[in-house]
Amino acid sequence: GQNIDQPTEMTATEGAIVQINCTYQTSGFNGLFWYQQHAGEAPTFLSYNVLDGLEEKGRFSSFLSRSKGYSYLLLKELQMKDSASYLCAVVDSNYQLIWGAGTKLIIKP
Amino acid sequence: IAGITQAPTSQILAAGRRMTLRCTQDMRHNAMYWYRQDLGLGLRLIHYSNTAGTTGKGEVPDGYSVSRANTDDFPLTLASAVPSQTSVYFCASSDEEQGGSPQYFGPGTRLTVL
Repeated sequence: GQNIDQPTEMTATEGAIVQINCTYQTSGFNGLFWYQQHAGEAPTFLSYNVLDGLEEKGRFSSFLSRSKGYSYLLLKELQMKDSASYLCAVVDSNYQLIWGAGTKLIIKP
Repeated sequence: IAGITQAPTSQILAAGRRMTLRCTQDMRHNAMYWYRQDLGLGLRLIHYSNTAGTTGKGEVPDGYSVSRANTDDFPLTLASAVPSQTSVYFCASSDEEQGGSPQYFGPGTRLTVL
């Protein structure tokens, strides 16, 4: 079967750095997405990785290792507005998106 | 309008009733999708459409049907609602049906079936 694992919940302090991990086992791999979802709202696109390495976009970076079936999202200089769920999704061999259950990130002042 | 709109925002429905959730996008995206999101579970694909005139089944299609008569609209119909269909429903679209084009989501419809 296909499986994506993320921690259910994480807590971090305003101004700090947090790393949210995602491991996947899917039938094929054609890319990995990270989305942000605030409570009661729709998911919004953050990043896309298809090759190994780090993609940086402002305070957010995403890393991929295809050989390890592993990705992480790194959030720097945390702000209260970063409190949200972060969803990892993998494009499988049929070009369907397989979604993780998401990691709820709680930011404390 | 800009992006994707969904209607209604929320709905309470008696079991056995028929219901159509509406989705419209103005980005001229080829591909559209319907997901349901339940607490503790990831987004689950119900149906998708790679282009106008074609549809396909996702992970959880039973009890739902879709149509794609044109590029912009992708309605989801529950023929006879059951309580297990209580969920938040998201419509999404993307520029291409394969690979690295991100999906953009509508605001969602919160459906309660009693």
